[in-house]
Amino acid sequence: DVKVTQSSRYLVKRTGEKVFLECVQDMDHENMFWYRQDPGLGLRLIYFSYDVKMKEKGDIPEGYSVSREKKERFSLILESASTNQTSMYLCASYAGQRLEKLFFGSGTQLSVL
Amino acid sequence: AQSVTQPDIHITVSEGASLELRCNYSYGATPYLFWYVQSPGQGLQLLLKYFSGDTLVQGIKGFEAEFKRSQSSFNLRKPSVHWSDAAEYFCAVASYTNAGKSTFGDGTTLTVKP
Repeated sequence: DVKVTQSSRYLVKRTGEKVFLECVQDMDHENMFWYRQDPGLGLRLIYFSYDVKMKEKGDIPEGYSVSREKKERFSLILESASTNQTSMYLCASYAGQRLEKLFFGSGTQLSVL
Repeated sequence: AQSVTQPDIHITVSEGASLELRCNYSYGATPYLFWYVQSPGQGLQLLLKYFSGDTLVQGIKGFEAEFKRSQSSFNLRKPSVHWSDAAEYFCAVASYTNAGKSTFGDGTTLTVKP
């Protein structure tokens, strides 16, 4: 089965720090996504990528950027972390075929102090 | 714009009782619908999905969902809940050509009483 691995399960950072969240998938999927999950707000799409070096903004891209230098890896970057970015971050990948499904990583719980 | 509403934030049921989680969607074309489950500390796992065909869809772990176009609903059901079903449940809608652009509901947290 597809494996989507997020490098950190828990992360604690200070306000103003640059933060990297890493995600790797092992099934050669072209499409990768970063979601943010907050209580009562469900999942909201931050950024996604359909190919290497390609990125598109999702619904809430402000304060974030992404990098996709290799097909299997999709990084989410917080250039200057703020307390309102404390959240659970979920990475997902998708083969790009019709009627396919998303495969999710286990999530990274980020706390910004 | 597509949207998903899960009216119940939190539901509590007794073990062995039946369960129904509600989901209403808004989508301009034929919807591609999903139910995901998230156990504590885990990512989301797909329970079932629906695009066309029989409107009653069977999923994993004994769950099923019924698509009702006239009511724009896709409710999740289970006849007998187990303690291990305690989790958060998300309904989502997408285009069948691009599940990656799914819109998720806010989730329903299920508590199971012994």
